[in-house]
Amino acid sequence: AQKVTQAQTEISVVEKEDVTLDCVYETRDTTYYLFWYKQPPSGELVFLIRRNSFDEQNEISGRYSWNFQKSTSSFNFTITASQVVDSAVYFCALSGTMDSNYQLIWGAGTKLIIKP
Amino acid sequence: DTEVTQTPKHLVMGMTNKKSLKCEQHMGHRAMYWYKQKAKKPPELMFVYSYEKLSINESVPSRFSPECPNSSLLNLHLHALQPEDSALYLCASSQGWGQETQYFGPGTRLLVL
Repeated sequence: AQKVTQAQTEISVVEKEDVTLDCVYETRDTTYYLFWYKQPPSGELVFLIRRNSFDEQNEISGRYSWNFQKSTSSFNFTITASQVVDSAVYFCALSGTMDSNYQLIWGAGTKLIIKP
Repeated sequence: DTEVTQTPKHLVMGMTNKKSLKCEQHMGHRAMYWYKQKAKKPPELMFVYSYEKLSINESVPSRFSPECPNSSLLNLHLHALQPEDSALYLCASSQGWGQETQYFGPGTRLLVL
């Protein structure tokens, strides 16, 4: 069965601190995709990244970076020098298989609070 | 332009009302989705349209009726809803139905009284 676990329900840090959001997944597929989405209080789910299971290179985009490790089935997300605008709920998701109609398998989400 | 638009932003309706939610995308995507999201939960898939045909209906009650008039538009018709249907309704689209990236709209916050 496929599963995504975001063990951190809520994280609170002071602005400018670095923060890492954990994501652990389970799948028996050899080809899959992992995603991160941001959901600010306004409600829109904003796509951040999509990573192919065959590409284990870490990704950096400005203050955001992602660490994909197949050996530990983890796809962690780090925000460097956090800002108040980073406050949101962050979801990690795993692409489903044809058997599951390709439904996204979502983690429970991590609420990130950045205090000024 | 990765934009999905949804109207209305907010909707309050009684249990006997009929209303519709609208979603539009101009990215040339061929798959469109409706999700329901309750507070503090991840989105739950309701329907998937692929090439304007309904591909998935996740056992959604018949009081929710989707419609895809063309490849850019997706509607969700609501009738005789229950208070527990109050939620954020999100529309998304992707290039194709599969393991593609889904792009979401801002959602419609629905309150059923």
